[in-house]
Amino acid sequence: EAGVTQSPTHLIKTRGQQATLRCSPISGHTSVYWYQQALGLGLQFLLWYDEGEERNRGNFPPRFSGRQFPNYSSELNVNALELEDSALYLCASSLDVGQPQHFGDGTRLSIL
Amino acid sequence: DAKTTQPPSMDCAEGRAANLPCNHSTISGNEYVYWYRQIHSQGPQYIIHGLKNNETNEMASLIITEDRKSSTLILPHATLRDTAVYYCIVTDNQGGKLIFGQGTELSVKP
Repeated sequence: EAGVTQSPTHLIKTRGQQATLRCSPISGHTSVYWYQQALGLGLQFLLWYDEGEERNRGNFPPRFSGRQFPNYSSELNVNALELEDSALYLCASSLDVGQPQHFGDGTRLSIL
Repeated sequence: DAKTTQPPSMDCAEGRAANLPCNHSTISGNEYVYWYRQIHSQGPQYIIHGLKNNETNEMASLIITEDRKSSTLILPHATLRDTAVYYCIVTDNQGGKLIFGQGTELSVKP
């Protein structure tokens, strides 16, 4: 069974640009979650999508947004990039909201 | 979600059992205890979870005290590949989010 896949593995952007990160969940999983792991800050919850709808979001500004497609894959968009957005962005999926989340290996976003 | 407390680091000899403790004294009746680990440069890996009863799978065992205020993750025969940061998380699963603390950095030594 293929795990959660994320692309790209690495992404380099400059301040003010926009970044799009992609996530394919495990087959059959309908819930997708996004987390940010910045140096020294630990893993922070960003967004939760289920059945195409945003169900919950963490304490992040509106320039962090995303969507979930009919095939349950997901995109995370970050607008007006700032230096402190440099981090590892992790996507997870679960069979249902009450089931364990399974993580991909992330996209490393670097802002120059 | 209830807060958890874990020791920042632990060492374990290869082949011995690794016992990782976690305190969650404010846990509510509908909250589960989850364990994840993160090996450097990889995403967190789900290990095990439980509500009240002890649980065992192919990776580990989870022992939850009767009052549910603490738990222990047991890796029965630690290998060098088990070196990682281990996170204990308590959640009722309703908000979809997992709250990761600082975890325990486990070093398995030859």
